[in-house]
Amino acid sequence: EAGVAQSPRYKIIEKRQSVAFWCNPISGHATLYWYQQILGQGPKLLIQFQNNGVVDDSQLPKDRFSAERLKGVDSTLKIQPAKLEDSAVYLCASSGGLAGVEQFFGPGTRLTVL
Amino acid sequence: KQEVTQIPAALSVPEGENLVLNCSFTDSAIYNLQWFRQDPGKGLTSLLLIQSSQREQTSGRLNASLDKSSGRSTLYIAASQPGDSATYLCAVYWPDFGNEKLTFGTGTRLTIIP
Repeated sequence: EAGVAQSPRYKIIEKRQSVAFWCNPISGHATLYWYQQILGQGPKLLIQFQNNGVVDDSQLPKDRFSAERLKGVDSTLKIQPAKLEDSAVYLCASSGGLAGVEQFFGPGTRLTVL
Repeated sequence: KQEVTQIPAALSVPEGENLVLNCSFTDSAIYNLQWFRQDPGKGLTSLLLIQSSQREQTSGRLNASLDKSSGRSTLYIAASQPGDSATYLCAVYWPDFGNEKLTFGTGTRLTIIP
């Protein structure tokens, strides 16, 4: 069974530029998550989708971050404009959506903002 | 709100020694607890997942225990090897107003000295 796919794996941009990350979850997984992991910290949830609807985006900085999951499968996370403090690893995860079901994580995208 | 703490933040031990990593959480109403490994600049590798009804899980040289009532989990690594050097993250799945959240600790950075 294929795991969660993410691209790109690495991205370097200058501040005020825009960037987009892509995630393809495990086939059949209804729930998709985006996490931000700043160096030295644990991952923190940015947004959670159930199919193509947003369940929780309370921690998403909506003035610069946006995310979509139009057909309930793939998802993109965008940052525009990027700030230095956005440098982090962005992790995508998916699950079957039931309570207590394990989340499976992708390899992450490492973003460096100069 | 669930908070997860991992102590110590960093640990160095000689090769061959057994070691214990600690994780504590503030709210005992959890679904599962999961231990991950993270190599520098990489994504998360799942090590062990303990369901709330279980007391422990084992995989090879790894043994994770869970004491819900005291809000504690330990990860025991037997006969440590240099390849075990990595950051180990503890995460708890917990209910949040009809939704499920996953909260991570900040990790323990483990170095095995050859």
